[in-house]
Amino acid sequence: AQTVTQSQPEMSVQEAETVTLSCTYDTSENNYYLFWYKQPPSRQMILVIRQEAYKQQNATENRFSVNFQKAAKSFSLKISDSQLGDTAMYFCAFLQTGANNLFFGTGTRLTVIP
Amino acid sequence: NAGVTQTPKFQVLKTGQSMTLQCAQDMNHEYMSWYRQDPGMGLRLIHYSVGAGITDQGEVPNGYNVSRSTTEDFPLRLLSAAPSQTSVYFCASSYSWVASGGRELFFGEGSRLTVL
Repeated sequence: AQTVTQSQPEMSVQEAETVTLSCTYDTSENNYYLFWYKQPPSRQMILVIRQEAYKQQNATENRFSVNFQKAAKSFSLKISDSQLGDTAMYFCAFLQTGANNLFFGTGTRLTVIP
Repeated sequence: NAGVTQTPKFQVLKTGQSMTLQCAQDMNHEYMSWYRQDPGMGLRLIHYSVGAGITDQGEVPNGYNVSRSTTEDFPLRLLSAAPSQTSVYFCASSYSWVASGGRELFFGEGSRLTVL
């Protein structure tokens, strides 16, 4: 099984500031996908951003961007201009190409402080 | 569209009881799956299905059964509940999960199960 590690159980950020959430993973595969999912208090999981490992360019979605370092097996999420609605659990996840199993990290609880 | 609907949202069971968590989607998705979420452990795949009549085991299948008789429904059965199965369960579906490289996975709102 693949392993995904999120070493920051909790983080906080002031509204309008920038925060970076860390994620590392362990795999011997060369082709895979990486994800960040958001789980607000409503509990429903929402895809934030997706990165294809064969692409060197870092994915961006509005205020959300990633720093994908393939050699270091690192996949951090940067949230710019943090908003109160960003308060949630954030999960990093790994999917091997052609596989069905999405492997999740243990999550980082982010609190945006007004 | 209703999306992915899970019922019940909350359930308390006694050890040894059986129950079924229901999952239905109205998006004509081929792929459906069940995850469990435990504190400090993230989400783990229990079972998945790539189409009607086809199911397979995920990372933590023991103690759970599934079937897929229709495209829309993917129930998860606990035959003899144990306290270790206390968890939040999520159903998720996708139109073409593997081929799309995980492009879209739609989650239900979760079902919190407590086994006493």
